[in-house]
Formats: sequence, structure tokens, C-alpha cells
Amino acid sequence: DQQVKQNSPSLSVQEGRISILNCDYTNSMFDYFLWYKKYPAEGPTFLISISSIKDKNEDGRFTVFLNKSAKHLSLHIVPSQPGDSAVYFCAAHGTGTASKLTFGTGTRLQVTL
Amino acid sequence: EAQVTQNPRYLITVTGKKLTVTCSQNMNHEYMSWYRQDPGLGLRQIYYSMNVEVTDKGDVPEGYKVSRKEKRNFPLILESPSPNQTSLYFCASRLDRTNTEAFFGQGTRLTVV
Repeated sequence: DQQVKQNSPSLSVQEGRISILNCDYTNSMFDYFLWYKKYPAEGPTFLISISSIKDKNEDGRFTVFLNKSAKHLSLHIVPSQPGDSAVYFCAAHGTGTASKLTFGTGTRLQVTL
Repeated sequence: EAQVTQNPRYLITVTGKKLTVTCSQNMNHEYMSWYRQDPGLGLRQIYYSMNVEVTDKGDVPEGYKVSRKEKRNFPLILESPSPNQTSLYFCASRLDRTNTEAFFGQGTRLTVV
């Protein structure tokens, strides 16, 4: 039962263009969503988050959009840079018994020159 | 420096030989958890702990044990490792179970032969 889904295992984008990574969830108890970035041989690092009371959160080149009715969120990276090449994990949690952080399967982003 | 420290980084062991992977955080976080990362499956939670002496099963707890005797430490114990536990393991900590991001250790690559 995959409650957080990232349907694109990989994505290739040219440097300078926009990268859009997508994530869908099924658990309506989730109220906080996060994106993590992971380089090889390192642990995931927190990138950006969004609360369910918002529909957009921006931090520099990174913007996360949340569509609660569609149970969908996306991460936009503009402009994409070669250093953004990594695996991106979408994650979500709720409160109470749903407080554990549930991750998607990840999307490998490659930014080409 | 705020960090989550796991040891060892790499471990090769034989089936049935008990092992412990240590995890320590210096941020006074209440919530700690263990994940395993496998190809195509993303990060799956093994066990989590909401505070000292409070632990509970995650999504894939079979074959693992944990303990939380002190706030900073959360070791993962494999009493009788089997080859299907060959994986990349991550320890993570969060301030608490509300809307906060998780900090991850560098990972432990375990091979059971």
C-alpha cells in the first residue's frame, strides 16, 4: 500500500530549464509535505516543505505546489543547475497515529549541460 | 554542529551473526526512526521512537529490534541477519512528531552473505 507515489523514476532536464517533479498521495490524514534531496553515499537532506493550509511555498529556486483536492504536489526547480542532479524524495506525515514520515520511491533528476 | 551519526558506514556479515548499528543525535530531538532504502521501493520505515522508552513498529519491522534508553541514542539490532536484510539503512531524527523536518544520518550499507 504505497501511500506516497512518485510515478516518474527518472527525469532529464537541460541546464537553465525548469524541472518539475511530481508526487501523489492517498492518505487524507497527511497534513505536512516535504521534499528531500539525496546524493549518492549521503543521507537525504531536507529541501522544502509545505503545510496543508497553504498551496504554495517558495525558497529561492525551489517552489512546492500543493493541490489538496487532487492529492497532488509538485516541486519546481527554476533554473535547473547541474548540482541539482540527485534523487528527490517526496514525503508526508499527519499527526497522532499518522505522524510517521512516509516516503515516495524517489525520482532521479539529471540536469544536463 | 547539529548532526545524526550512524556507525558503521559499511558492514559485511554472515547470516545469523547478531549485529547492532548505532545512531546518535545531538539535537535533543524526541522523535527518532530507522529506514531502509531498496531499489524501486524508496525509504521504508522500520521502527520509530517518540521518546525515551517509547518505540513502535514501522512498515517493515520483521527481523529488527530497537531500543531507546537515552534520548540521543537509537540503536538498530539484527538478532539473526538474513540476506534479505541486505540494504542501505538510515537513521533519522525530528524535534517531535509535529510539523518538523527529519535529519538523516549518512547511512549504513549492510551486506548479509
